[in-house]
Amino acid sequence: SYVLTQPPSVSVAPGQTATITCGDNNIGSKSVHWYQQKPGQAPVLVVYDDTDRPSGIPERFSGSNSGNTATLTISRVEAGDEADYYCLVWDTTIDHYVFGTGTKVTVL
Amino acid sequence: EVQMLESGGGLVKPGGSLRLSCAASGFPFTNYNMNWVRQAPGKGLEWVSCISRSSDFIYYADSVKGRFTISRDNARNLLYLQMNSLRADDMAVYYCAREVQPNHLDYWGQGTLLTVSS
Repeated sequence: SYVLTQPPSVSVAPGQTATITCGDNNIGSKSVHWYQQKPGQAPVLVVYDDTDRPSGIPERFSGSNSGNTATLTISRVEAGDEADYYCLVWDTTIDHYVFGTGTKVTVL
Repeated sequence: EVQMLESGGGLVKPGGSLRLSCAASGFPFTNYNMNWVRQAPGKGLEWVSCISRSSDFIYYADSVKGRFTISRDNARNLLYLQMNSLRADDMAVYYCAREVQPNHLDYWGQGTLLTVSS
């Protein structure tokens, strides 16, 4: 099975913008979903269907998806955003979910 | 409130078997496909298996196909994962998760830990 490519780590100062990418051939043709996972906790959905936010997720979290790269953007980063982030797609050619490799966001 | 509570994890010897359960509440269980996802210690998320609402569609990751069996009891709002021929690389926290459209997992349980060791 394959995984989606994410950068292992992203470091960002408070108040700045964190950008996390998720790469795959023609990922723009798929719906991409993003999860935040803090240590010892279950993943939490922060963006679904490329750009939508579940209720309760701050507007600071946004997503985009085009070509070979999907992106999760966290604006005005706060200390509480420090976590691991994973992208997810459903691959219709193999009827499998595929997760990204995960990105650790560190707030400096 | 949507809730899912996994149970059944524990210590198993290589080659052994174990059955995980996930008790769902706060939503109409029969209306949703359900999934198992696992996370090995210090590693990323790995999808394991999916079962449709009425169990007519079932999918497995290649890493567990032929060894794991997903099932559900809609009358009791329960999801199961029967795991046989367990290996060291099956050791992980196992999460159950609810599936919604367009194909993603919106709510997750807190997970149950499987340890495989002699």
